[in-house]
Amino acid sequence: GQQLNQSPQSMFIQEGEDVSMNCTSSSIFNTWLWYKQEPGEGPVLLIALYKAGELTSNGRLTAQFGITRKDSFLNISASIPSDVGIYFCAGPRQGAQKLVFGQGTRLTINP
Amino acid sequence: ETGVTQSPTHLIKTRGQQVTLRCSSQSGHNTVSWYQQALGQGPQFIFQYYREEENGRGNFPPRFSGLQFPNYSSELNVNALELDDSALYLCASSADGLNTEAFFGQGTRLTVV
Repeated sequence: GQQLNQSPQSMFIQEGEDVSMNCTSSSIFNTWLWYKQEPGEGPVLLIALYKAGELTSNGRLTAQFGITRKDSFLNISASIPSDVGIYFCAGPRQGAQKLVFGQGTRLTINP
Repeated sequence: ETGVTQSPTHLIKTRGQQVTLRCSSQSGHNTVSWYQQALGQGPQFIFQYYREEENGRGNFPPRFSGLQFPNYSSELNVNALELDDSALYLCASSADGLNTEAFFGQGTRLTVV
């Protein structure tokens, strides 16, 4: 099946640090989505990317759609405690009827 | 707040039983997709309902079935529950059979004992 590989799997950082994570695939995607999930909640859409090379920001979050269309990156600047959670990349498949997800990057912040 | 609501939030069932989970889509959205999320993993697509018809299915057995109603709310039914069915079940609301921007509910945590 279509696999999205996220790295790193987990991150332990100090408050105030910048964070970078990425998502890669062996197949081309025409849309990349980044979600955040907190314990006991569903994933929340952070950023949607629709065009190769696109760079989009949402507050302290910035995501890029890779030129090859096989990867995407998410950066968080000046991390704060509420950034803790699991970040998932996702892309549409099967005629955009379904989303395939990466396995997630778990972010932990030490105060 | 996505406007997508799921019920119940938690459920405990015995192996072999049947369960029904419910989802109300976001206003203006006519498509509901269901996902299963096992602990420590990303969500896995079960199926999608668009205009009251199943519109795509993932790699799940027929004992996973669903419905969509005229108001676009949806149900997920699982028969003959197995221990491995224990997971967080998520519904996602979107428009026109697409998932280019899908908004998730808070999920139903199902435990099968």
